[in-house]
Amino acid sequence: DQQVKQNSPSLSVQEGRISILNCDYTNSMFDYFLWYKKYPAEGPTFLISISSIKDKNEDGRFTVFLNKSAKHLSLHIVPSQPGDSAVYFCAASAGSGGSQGNLIFGKGTKLSVKP
Amino acid sequence: DGGITQSPKYLFRKEGQNVTLSCEQNLNHDAMYWYRQDPGQGLRLIYYSQIVNDFQKGDIAEGYSVSREKKESFPLTVTSAQKNPTAFYLCASSIVGTGNYEQYFGPGTRLTVT
Repeated sequence: DQQVKQNSPSLSVQEGRISILNCDYTNSMFDYFLWYKKYPAEGPTFLISISSIKDKNEDGRFTVFLNKSAKHLSLHIVPSQPGDSAVYFCAASAGSGGSQGNLIFGKGTKLSVKP
Repeated sequence: DGGITQSPKYLFRKEGQNVTLSCEQNLNHDAMYWYRQDPGQGLRLIYYSQIVNDFQKGDIAEGYSVSREKKESFPLTVTSAQKNPTAFYLCASSIVGTGNYEQYFGPGTRLTVT
């Protein structure tokens, strides 16, 4: 049973427009969420994170929104650039649990930004 | 330059052979992790270690083994018991106990078993 779900396998956006990537989770014990970006044949790189005590975190063109009641988070990229084309993974951690620090990953969303 | 190194980038083995993937980090992180990625799948946790000489099974540990004799090193052995070993393997590390759960990833090893 997937605890972290990214229901859109792919997303195509025009350069300069907003990209919105969505993630849903089922485990109410998750208290820390992260987004990673991954290019083919490379390791994921950390983008941005958010603690469950916040509902928004912003870093440059990237903003993550957390809606705890809906168990939903989203990553907004504004403006989107061709170099943003990659697979984006949502990950969650139940940090205070026994497996502290372990991340549960979604299956990823492939973002294509067209010039 | 601090980071995580995985070698080799590509590895080919015959079915029935054990193979060991290396992972080294110089970030002074206590915790290290091994993941497997298959096409269209997320990252699935194989094994993790939060301290030297101790490690725990992840979600898909069957057919794999690890050791953690040094803080910097966390090698993964893919045994002949692993039914579908062909995959992209990722090693990661993190700090423990700070409330920051960010994991840093290596470049990965693509293992092909024929």
